Order: sequence, then structure tokens, then C-alpha cells
Amino acid sequence: ETGVTQTPRHLVMGMTNKKSLKCEQHLGHNAMYWYKQSAKKPLELMFVYSLEERVENNSVPSRFSPECPNSSHLFLHLHTLQPEDSALYLCASSQVLQDTQYFGPGTRLTVL
Amino acid sequence: TQLLEQSPQFLSIQEGENLTVYCNSSSVFSSLQWYRQEPGEGPVLLVTVVTGGEVKKLKRLTFQFGDARKDSSLHITAAQPGDTGLYLCAGTTEAAGNKLTFGGGTRVLVKP
Repeated sequence: ETGVTQTPRHLVMGMTNKKSLKCEQHLGHNAMYWYKQSAKKPLELMFVYSLEERVENNSVPSRFSPECPNSSHLFLHLHTLQPEDSALYLCASSQVLQDTQYFGPGTRLTVL
Repeated sequence: TQLLEQSPQFLSIQEGENLTVYCNSSSVFSSLQWYRQEPGEGPVLLVTVVTGGEVKKLKRLTFQFGDARKDSSLHITAAQPGDTGLYLCAGTTEAAGNKLTFGGGTRVLVKP
């Protein structure tokens, strides 16, 4: 039990759809992260929010749009995705200035 | 070239055998974490090491951080089928702050 929840757990969408992934952390942390995990590739950091401000955008295409309305919630809005965007999307949280991150179970995204 | 190289990439052993997984880099890390990830789930933190030469034990798992803080190892004694999973190392550097860099992972299969 990690204290970080993600919904939905599975998502299938067409390239013209718009959908959102949700992450919620119950650990009292003040930094949140989105990662992408594709087959046979290391975890890729996408976005970092620290104290509700975006502090990192790792050259992620604009079809991915993050939102952090408060320190407990993080969203990833998706639109006009490509089949190569199919992956496991992981959310994590931590305390700012602390190294250890705690991960959610992920959303398995399939883009048709 | 990955900042963190894990070896081997895949390991298949029989229940009761021992195994060691390695995580190597040419960079010095402020801290290093080990995670285990099961299929369809997010990584679960096993341990964080911060001091060069540090050894931590978690039941049958022994983690070591190299003296120069450039490498780490995970040793499992008398492996059980429940140890099956993807083992990931991840580290932070002073320059990168809280940003975690992940290795490519070692997939471990323990057969009954």
C-alpha cells in the first residue's frame, strides 16, 4: 500500500479522443511527478510539480498537458495521442528536497 | 548511454538459490533507491542508501552502496517465487536535485 492512487487503471482511447489521468496522494507530500514506462526502456520523467508549480517539463509533446490543482492531486490531460504513446503512466510523490519517491500503481494506456 | 546501468537484464533461478543484481554508473550519487515492480503495478520502494559503503538488510535482501557512491548491489538469499519482479535502481545527483534517474531494470524470475 503506497498511499498514491491512480485512476483509471486501464484506458483504451482512439487518436482523436480526449481523456485525463488522475493521481491522488495521501502522504502529505508537496512534490508530484508523472513518469512514462514503455517496454524495454527505463522510466522516463515527464513532469515535476513542486509546491504546486511545474518545475520540470522533460521535452514532452504538447499533446500531454499536466495540471496540479493542489498538493494532493495531479492530472495528465491527453489529446490527439499517437499509438507510440501507449505505455504505463506512473504518478509519484515525495517531500520537496527529499530523494525518496512513492509511486502509484499506474494507468495502462493503449492508443488505437 | 544510460546514466545507470543494471546487470544482468534478466535472471532466472530456482527457488532457494541466491542472486545478485548490480547497478553501476560513472557518476556520484547523493542517494540511491531500489524498487521492485510487479507486472501491471507501480514500483514499490525497498530501500534508500545514502552513505558510501552502507549496507542495509531487509529480511533476505541485502543492499550495498559502493564506497565511492557510484554503484550498488542487491543480494537475495534463498530466493522465493514471491521475489519475482522487475528490480529497479534509481539515483539522485547533487546537480539534479530531487530528480530520480532510473536504470533499465533487472527482471528476476524465481521458479518453484
